[in-house]
Amino acid sequence: KAGVTQTPRYLIKTRGQQVTLSCSPISGHRSVSWYQQTPGQGLQFLFEYFSETQRNKGNFPGRFSGRQFSNSRSEMNVSTLELGDSALYLCASRLSTEGTYEQYFGPGTRLTVT
Amino acid sequence: KNQVEQSPQSLIILEGKNCTLQCNYTVSPFSNLRWYKQDTGRGPVSLTIMTFSENTKSNGRYTATLDADTKQSSLHITASQLSDSASYICVVSFTGGGNKLTFGTGTQLKVEL
Repeated sequence: KAGVTQTPRYLIKTRGQQVTLSCSPISGHRSVSWYQQTPGQGLQFLFEYFSETQRNKGNFPGRFSGRQFSNSRSEMNVSTLELGDSALYLCASRLSTEGTYEQYFGPGTRLTVT
Repeated sequence: KNQVEQSPQSLIILEGKNCTLQCNYTVSPFSNLRWYKQDTGRGPVSLTIMTFSENTKSNGRYTATLDADTKQSSLHITASQLSDSASYICVVSFTGGGNKLTFGTGTQLKVEL
């Protein structure tokens, strides 16, 4: 069974631009979560989608948004990019949002904002 | 405020040696605690997951312990290998918190010859 895939793997953008990242979950997984990872802050939860609905949201500004499609694939969008948005963005999928279902992470998208 | 603190921040050991990584948390109410291994440039991979009632869980050369009373967990690595060089992240989730996980900042382990 294929793992979580993320595209693109690397991205360089300029301040003020916007960016869209894509995540394809493991087949059969309906929950997709997004995380931002920086050296100083570690992993921080952005949001989780299940059945095309946002179920949980972290403490990030409204410039960060996401959506999930009927095939469970998810996209994350960051508008008006700032230098501090440079990070590794990780996507994780799991069967459901309940209990202790294991999360499986993708390889991440490395975003650099110049 | 829910927090997860890990120590040490970084560690260098010789191949074949054992080591123990620590995780202290203030998350409440507690649901489960996970240890992840993250290789450079890759996403985290789950090593163990423990609920409130479990106090030890093994995965090959990795053994995690949990003391829910003192809110402490440790990850013990036995007979380290060069491939163990990675960041080890402790993650704690809330009861009824859905996917609201609190992440530690990780311990960077380097195994040398």
